[in-house]
Amino acid sequence: GESVGLHLPTLSVQEGDNSIINCAYSNSASDYFIWYKQESGKGPQFIIDIRSNMDKRQGQRVTVLLNKTVKHLSLQIAATQPGDSAVYFCAENGYNTDKLIFGTGTRLQVFP
Amino acid sequence: DTEVTQTPKHLVMGMTNKKSLKCEQHMGHRAMYWYKQKAKKPPELMFVYSYEKLSINESVPSRFSPECPNSSLLNLHLHALQPEDSALYLCASSRQHEHTGELFFGEGSRLTVL
Repeated sequence: GESVGLHLPTLSVQEGDNSIINCAYSNSASDYFIWYKQESGKGPQFIIDIRSNMDKRQGQRVTVLLNKTVKHLSLQIAATQPGDSAVYFCAENGYNTDKLIFGTGTRLQVFP
Repeated sequence: DTEVTQTPKHLVMGMTNKKSLKCEQHMGHRAMYWYKQKAKKPPELMFVYSYEKLSINESVPSRFSPECPNSSLLNLHLHALQPEDSALYLCASSRQHEHTGELFFGEGSRLTVL
């Protein structure tokens, strides 16, 4: 999603449901993508990454999907738990560069 | 627990003060980074050090001066800051010179400029 002003896009899900967080990227030369989770008062924490030669990668309860045609990235969280509540950022970097650029975040709220 | 340690956690300074933020990692990483994060915004890259040499400066004002004394330490020297510089300053490190691995972030130093 896209943020407007000071408001983060928010996704509210019920505990136990699956969550899907979306991200659009702009640089077609980007070849590496990461999802980070940032809890209140903490630094971003790595969740999962994917390279541009892949379409899908799975971790523990998380799956990242990459669609290079439309420059879209998504993070799927299975059986969402209260501890998953946080702001989620996608990040991209271009080929042979030290720059990791973060996208606009999405706040995930999990309710019982 | 993060393996990147940042001090201080909180800092309040006046516009005429000189202060420093410190970052330390003992993971043997050779790339270190400073990011700035305003409330409800994503982290914005400021500086990158690779093998203790400054490799990227994202047009950051000179009132921010980075320093990498050795491969484990990264400092950010602050002088004559403005109130709009108030933010969370995040340090990060990664294994490789080319940015193809995950960043490990510290918990940040929250800076308030009065």
